[in-house]
Amino acid sequence: SQTIHQWPATLVQPVGSPLSLECTVEGTSNPNLYWYRQAAGRGLQLLFYSVGIGQISSEVPQNLSASRPQDRQFILSSKKLLLSDSGFYLCAWSRRNGETQYFGPGTRLLVL
Amino acid sequence: AQKVTQAQTEISVVEKEDVTLDCVYETRDTTYYLFWYKQPPSGELVFLIRRNSFDEQNEISGRYSWNFQKSTSSFNFTITASQVVDSAVYFCALSEPSGSARQLTFGSGTQLTVLP
Repeated sequence: SQTIHQWPATLVQPVGSPLSLECTVEGTSNPNLYWYRQAAGRGLQLLFYSVGIGQISSEVPQNLSASRPQDRQFILSSKKLLLSDSGFYLCAWSRRNGETQYFGPGTRLLVL
Repeated sequence: AQKVTQAQTEISVVEKEDVTLDCVYETRDTTYYLFWYKQPPSGELVFLIRRNSFDEQNEISGRYSWNFQKSTSSFNFTITASQVVDSAVYFCALSEPSGSARQLTFGSGTQLTVLP
């Protein structure tokens, strides 16, 4: 069976510091990978998605970037965090040409 | 552009009551998929159901049932005999193709509270 991991689970960072969130998927090959952010108030916003190693599509221009160095690894980064980057970050995967996205446990980020 | 509307921000029911969560969507695609996810307090989104636009049959899974009506662009979710463990935020979502991937457009969610 497939599992998706995210770490860290919780992170408190000062404004201006760098960020690296990691997501890995087990039990599948060539998945599509996604990063979402959920700000207070519940709405989920797609940030990035990837259909393969090194292939990143950005949905929202912002302070964040994503990379996919390996088939089942997806990283969300920032060089300098802003207060507005606070939120709940969810990684998801789907099968290539699959319709359903399955989500990880998420990372709660608080920028102070 | 695609849009999903969940007009009910919060619903509160007493245990064993039935409750229906509404979802209305907008899309220009002729082929699309609709989803419901559950987000318990832990935060993880749990997949509940997927429906494609060509299948309007209603579906029942235990205490859960879904009513898809293309004519009204609605995909409503009913929980029968609600339980405290059903308390969560429920999201309706619509997917659209984007190259080799599909993007999900989420509604704003409905917070369901089931009181003992």
